[in-house]
Amino acid sequence: AQKVTQTQTSISVMEKTTVTMDCVYETQDSSYFLFWYKQTASGEIVFLIRQDSYKKENATVGHYSLNFQKPKSSIGLIITATQIEDSAVYFCAMRRTGGADRLTFGKGTQLIIQP
Amino acid sequence: NAGVIQTPRHKVTGKGQEATLWCEPISGHSAVFWYRQTIVQGLEFLTYFRNQAPIDDSGMPKERFSAQMPNQSHSTLKIQSTQPQDSAVYLCASSLDLGLGGNYAEQFFGPGTRLTVL
Repeated sequence: AQKVTQTQTSISVMEKTTVTMDCVYETQDSSYFLFWYKQTASGEIVFLIRQDSYKKENATVGHYSLNFQKPKSSIGLIITATQIEDSAVYFCAMRRTGGADRLTFGKGTQLIIQP
Repeated sequence: NAGVIQTPRHKVTGKGQEATLWCEPISGHSAVFWYRQTIVQGLEFLTYFRNQAPIDDSGMPKERFSAQMPNQSHSTLKIQSTQPQDSAVYLCASSLDLGLGGNYAEQFFGPGTRLTVL
């Protein structure tokens, strides 16, 4: 069984700064995908970025990047130049590779961007 | 392209009544997932379909929950004899078969149906 843990319940940072959100995972699978999703105040869940376990390079999309440390089973999300609209709940998730499969989610980290 | 569509957005039922939730996946997406979100449990997997066939329903409460996908353009989640503990946001997601040995892309979520059981 897979398990995803986000220990930071809430983070507050000033606008235009960089923030890192932590996530550790457990799995018996040799190959897997790791994801970060964002849930806005309206409840919408938006896909942000994905890391393939077999890739050593950290994924980057826009002002989102990942810090993938496979030996530590860790996948941190880094947001640079934060904006007010980045305020949301961020979920880390994972699933096995090879076909469609369920996502296992962490409990989420609430990010508050202060002006 | 329209995203995943879920109807209704809100539903209130009395204890013991039936609730049917609808999902229209993104056109061309062949995998459809149902999740449930509560404050206490967070985001929980319920069930999923691939090419309309049920693949995994291990997250479904067995006695009162059922899901179907009669065609590629919609799926339903039915809850019989609803109970207050069924109150949650029910989320549908879909993903695209990338055609690379059965690999699938990331899942895209609908807006959810907020079910309140009085």
